[in-house]
Amino acid sequence: QSVLTQPPSVSAAPGQKVIISCSGSSSNIGNNYVSWYQQFPGTAPKFLIYDNNKRPSGIPDRFSGSKSGTSATLGITGLQTGDEADYYCGTWDSSLSAWVFGGGTKLTVL
Amino acid sequence: EVHLLESGGDLVQPGGSLRLSCAASGFTFSSYAMGWVRQAPGKGLEWVSFITGSGDSTYYADSVKGRFTISRDNSKSTLYLQMNSLRVEDTAVHYCARRGIEGATNFDYWGQGTLVTVSS
Repeated sequence: QSVLTQPPSVSAAPGQKVIISCSGSSSNIGNNYVSWYQQFPGTAPKFLIYDNNKRPSGIPDRFSGSKSGTSATLGITGLQTGDEADYYCGTWDSSLSAWVFGGGTKLTVL
Repeated sequence: EVHLLESGGDLVQPGGSLRLSCAASGFTFSSYAMGWVRQAPGKGLEWVSFITGSGDSTYYADSVKGRFTISRDNSKSTLYLQMNSLRVEDTAVHYCARRGIEGATNFDYWGQGTLVTVSS
């Protein structure tokens, strides 16, 4: 059971928008920045979003992040079949003194 | 260009030991905290351990506390994970990852991973 809660799967059609949620508590999301990672099968996670809503260099602006209270979301617009991957949220948990991740969300672009 | 290369993964029997290494290049290694994150087959990401840039402070997930030891050699730009008393449930791809700038709550670069298989 992950400390951060994500839906197991989401799906949308090409060109559409999808939102992936990540729910936590005051000891993690509520008081720390959230990051997001994209992972294709058989490959390492890729850094996608940091500090709730910032994109590292090279990440297209189709990807966005936001945070409100103890929840965060990842938004992807203009969906492409190449966006099909697993997405994970993560942050530091101040009470556990531990890094925590969500269980991951599998995105299917129909 | 930042590069992280793990090695040391292998097949080991339950109760055995293994040492993973992560060779870093392309950045000032001692200036960055580092961590290990693992992924069991078909499962999600699980944080394992974390060490500050100087090596003065270390943190462990409850699932590995007392069995695993993280360390680093800044003169060699290498991160280590000593894994003792291995269990079947430790079977996973183990990634080393660099934490972002000081105080960041993210891992901005990841290695390709090394597979640890614990089985009799």
